[in-house]
Amino acid sequence: DGGITQSPKYLFRKEGQNVTLSCEQNLNHDAMYWYRQDPGQGLRLIYYSQIVNDFQKGDIAEGYSVSREKKESFPLTVTSAQKNPTAFYLCASSPTGFYGYTFGSGTRLTVV
Amino acid sequence: AQSVTQPDIHITVSEGASLELRCNYSYGATPYLFWYVQSPGQGLQLLLKYFSGDTLVQGIKGFEAEFKRSQSSFNLRKPSVHWSDAAEYFCAVDGQNFVFGPGTRLSVLP
Repeated sequence: DGGITQSPKYLFRKEGQNVTLSCEQNLNHDAMYWYRQDPGQGLRLIYYSQIVNDFQKGDIAEGYSVSREKKESFPLTVTSAQKNPTAFYLCASSPTGFYGYTFGSGTRLTVV
Repeated sequence: AQSVTQPDIHITVSEGASLELRCNYSYGATPYLFWYVQSPGQGLQLLLKYFSGDTLVQGIKGFEAEFKRSQSSFNLRKPSVHWSDAAEYFCAVDGQNFVFGPGTRLSVLP
């Protein structure tokens, strides 16, 4: 079955370390997105990519970086510059046009 | 700029009761409209979407939504709620950008 795979589901890191969250899709979707979700704050867009080798900052890109070297993959790196990285991270993808998003099951990152 | 509001942060209903979750949007034209559901610790699942045509849209899990242009609303309904419907529900609008509402948390009493 086609879908989006996020790994790992839970991730623990020490403060000051960079960490990379994986997102892979086999839906042949052109666009991919990263959202951050905090309790009571809904979803906030971090980065998005509409085509391979191109990506754009979302509303809260500071302290994060991404790459899009393959259509299927859109990894997110949470750098040590991100002041409050503990959150639930969601990856999504969509085909070209207005069809809505398909979401992965999320990665919960805890920085201690 | 477009925006989405979900006036109810938290709603509690009894199992078997009917449900209506409200969604209002602000956009200069008719946008594409979506409802998603999120169970705790999970990703978002698409319940239904409206692009054009019939303003009453049927979705999965027995949900439906009605688009009312005059009220800029896209309310989600279910005639009889099940305990498994307890979750967070997000309305989303795709116009100039894809924007999610803040979500409504649904609790279901046995």
